[in-house]
Amino acid sequence: AQSVTQPDIHITVSEGASLELRCNYSYGATPYLFWYVQSPGQGLQLLLKYFSGDTLVQGIKGFEAEFKRSQSSFNLRKPSVHWSDAAEYFCAVAQAAGNKLTFGGGTRVLVKP
Amino acid sequence: KAGVTQTPRYLIKTRGQQVTLSCSPISGHRSVSWYQQTPGQGLQFLFEYFSETQRNKGNFPGRFSGRQFSNSRSEMNVSTLELGDSALYLCASSFWDSNYEQYFGPGTRLTVT
Repeated sequence: AQSVTQPDIHITVSEGASLELRCNYSYGATPYLFWYVQSPGQGLQLLLKYFSGDTLVQGIKGFEAEFKRSQSSFNLRKPSVHWSDAAEYFCAVAQAAGNKLTFGGGTRVLVKP
Repeated sequence: KAGVTQTPRYLIKTRGQQVTLSCSPISGHRSVSWYQQTPGQGLQFLFEYFSETQRNKGNFPGRFSGRQFSNSRSEMNVSTLELGDSALYLCASSFWDSNYEQYFGPGTRLTVT
């Protein structure tokens, strides 16, 4: 069965600094990978996705992620963090058939002024 | 285009009761998935419906059930509520059955007392 691990439960970053969130997956076939963000009291918003092709994918809000098959990783990055980026971020992998997403445990990002 | 809507947004029930949650997908979307989010277990897949048929089911007891109507709206029902059913229930829709790109609603916060 597929699984997703986000090693960092909490990350604190200063506003304007860079951010990298780690995600490791376990999946037998070519994975369909996603990053979602959840603000307090809100649902999940899709930041970006990887299906195939270029391993560096661009998303909304200035985020990007790099797929590394050899490391089974799909890390999310942002060059300069804004206070509004404080939220919880979830990495997810899709099952081959249907729309079942398996999520990591999430990483909560705090932004210091 | 309107996003995924879920009603009600907040709900308080007592143990032993049953509850029905509703989800209206984005117009044109035919797949609806349900997820449970709790602090302890994180985000877990409940089930997915496409064209009124359940395509996938997660590892939840039979007290959790769902259905989808011809207009793609979906409901989920939880019978004989337990304290552990307190959670944020998220609905997600996508355009077709294996699109994977899911759009989430704001969720229904269920509290069982």
